[in-house]
Order: sequence, then C-alpha cells, then structure tokens
Amino acid sequence: SYELTQPLSVSVALGQTARITCGGSNIGSKNVHWYQQRPGQAPVLVIYRDKNRPSGIPERFSGSNSGNTATLTISRAQGGDEADYYCQVWDSTTGVFGGGTKLTVL
Amino acid sequence: QLVESGGGLVQPGGSLRLSCAASGFTFSNYWMHWVRQAPGKGLVWVSRINGDGRFISYADSVKGRFIISRDNAKNTLYLQMNSLRGEDTAVYYCTKEDGSGSYALDYWGQGTLVTVAS
Repeated sequence: SYELTQPLSVSVALGQTARITCGGSNIGSKNVHWYQQRPGQAPVLVIYRDKNRPSGIPERFSGSNSGNTATLTISRAQGGDEADYYCQVWDSTTGVFGGGTKLTVL
Repeated sequence: QLVESGGGLVQPGGSLRLSCAASGFTFSNYWMHWVRQAPGKGLVWVSRINGDGRFISYADSVKGRFIISRDNAKNTLYLQMNSLRGEDTAVYYCTKEDGSGSYALDYWGQGTLVTVAS
C-alpha cells in the first residue's frame, strides 16, 4: 500500500516561512491535498491539487509537488497557523493520509 | 453543512450506525467519504461512495465489517459499523469531495465519537 511520510513536528519563528514536506514514491505524479487541523476542530482543506487554494485560504499558503516530495509552504507565519497539517493523496481507489505534522510558531 | 450523529459507546463485537445530514449543496452530485481519527492520532480514510451509490470503496481495515450508503432523498450519508473492535475507537468525520475529480475533501462535519469498550 502507498505510504506518505511527514515530519512529526516543524517549528517556525513568528513572521518567518515554514515548510512542511510530504514524501511518497513518485508523489509528483499524484494530486496532493493539504489539510489544517487546529486543536479540537475538524480539518480544513488549505491546498488542493498540489498548489491551489480554496476560497478563504490566505495567499500565505502555497504548495508544490515534484519527484518524491510535496511541500506545503506557509509564509509570514502567524500564531493562528499553529496546527496539525496532513497531506493526502489517492492511490487507486484508496485514500491515503500522511501521519501529520505539528506546526509550532515560536 | 455536514452534521454527524449516531456515535456513542458500544461493546466489542457490537454494531453502530452513523448518519450525516447534508445541506447547502446538491447532495446527489457529490462523492461522500468517511474519515476517522483515533484519540491523539492522525487522520485515516475509511470509505467513499459516489453520487448514486453505485461505486463504493473501503479501507482494508474496515472491509467486510463496515457498509457505507446514502439516501439522496433525505440528503443523508450513513456508515453501518459491525463487528466493532477497540481499534475502531475514533472520531468519525463525514466529508464531501470537491467535485473537481481530484478527490480533495472540501467540507468536513464536526465529527462524532465512537468508543468501543467493555
């Protein structure tokens, strides 16, 4: 079965840029989606199809995907960005999530 | 809007049916999914169903035990869970696909907690 690997945690200074990676075999050939989950809340889609932002998601959120790594980039990080972030792909008819990355804004 | 219900405490080996009431969009036009999250753990995809209910898939961990279905007349998604195990303990989220063909999940309910314990 297909596996996605994310770092357990990423820290970023307030106002700086955070990058969260999602590794998978030839993931560049797949559509990657990213979700933000704040404590006690349901997940929210922040990036779909590698690099597209749903309406209402700030431009500070961007994504890329190539080779074996997809990346979620959060520019000018704010305290409200502290959350767990999950990448997701579809493998055949099965949904696959990464293990999640906890983002801490210092 | 997606509103789940039906969660609760159930003994191992028991059954439970979750419901998800949908509103604000044309329910029958969209694939719908269930995703779960064990306490303190990550997201795990469970199952999905297409708009008319003809196409269904499951995660290996629930195949043969869970049944996804929908009633488009009632705008409601269901998850029948049988032969429940401790490892099925989780918050279960009802989610909607975005309809673009990329399988992004653009709306999520608030979840309903299922606890399997004796």
